Amino acid sequence: RKEVEQDPGPFNVPEGATVAFNCTYSNSASQSFFWYRQDCRKEPKLLMSVYSSGNEDGRFTAQLNRASQYISLLIRDSKLSDSATYLCVVNFMNSGYSTLTFGKGTMLLVSP
Amino acid sequence: EADIYQTPRYLVIGTGKKITLECSQTMGHDKMYWYQQDPGMELHLIHYSYGVNSTEKGDLSSESTVSRIRTEHFPLTLESARPSHTSQYLCASRDRDWLNTEAFFGQGTRLTVV
Repeated sequence: RKEVEQDPGPFNVPEGATVAFNCTYSNSASQSFFWYRQDCRKEPKLLMSVYSSGNEDGRFTAQLNRASQYISLLIRDSKLSDSATYLCVVNFMNSGYSTLTFGKGTMLLVSP
Repeated sequence: EADIYQTPRYLVIGTGKKITLECSQTMGHDKMYWYQQDPGMELHLIHYSYGVNSTEKGDLSSESTVSRIRTEHFPLTLESARPSHTSQYLCASRDRDWLNTEAFFGQGTRLTVV
């Protein structure tokens, strides 16, 4: 079983749509969580951290469910510029050191 | 913008050559990482470092080696390149407060071994 699992998509949505991505992680000792965005042939960049109480940044809302080991990202009012791959990232301790584990990513394609 | 730089951006090289991919950051970050990513696939951690003279192998076995002699510099070396090493290599760094800090990525090196 992969440590971080995501539906690879692609999710094809029209502009203005609301879309949600899910991510599950296997290590219950995971301590922090992030969503990164990666454009085609570019490096990943942080979109937002995910906090236990859930958090929102403009059109983006992230939720964490520790009991189910599940993270979600909701994008409202999709824009063409939201087209990218969204990476779920989990941080956990390993022999006293923290490591980031990336999911494979979910591809989003927003069309006019 | 992140102050982490990778060179070269693109490299095409023959089988058997020795290559070094450079990664430098000017943010004073202790933690640095090398990831390998094939097109359309996930990032795989191949090496990491928590400071000077600290290097560890990542989850994905790699024939490459790394060194960390200076905080700002984390080069990756392949002694004898093979076509199976063709991939994108991404370097990243994080600050000391690791629980909630962002990883900054360089723009990557696209390596093609012919």
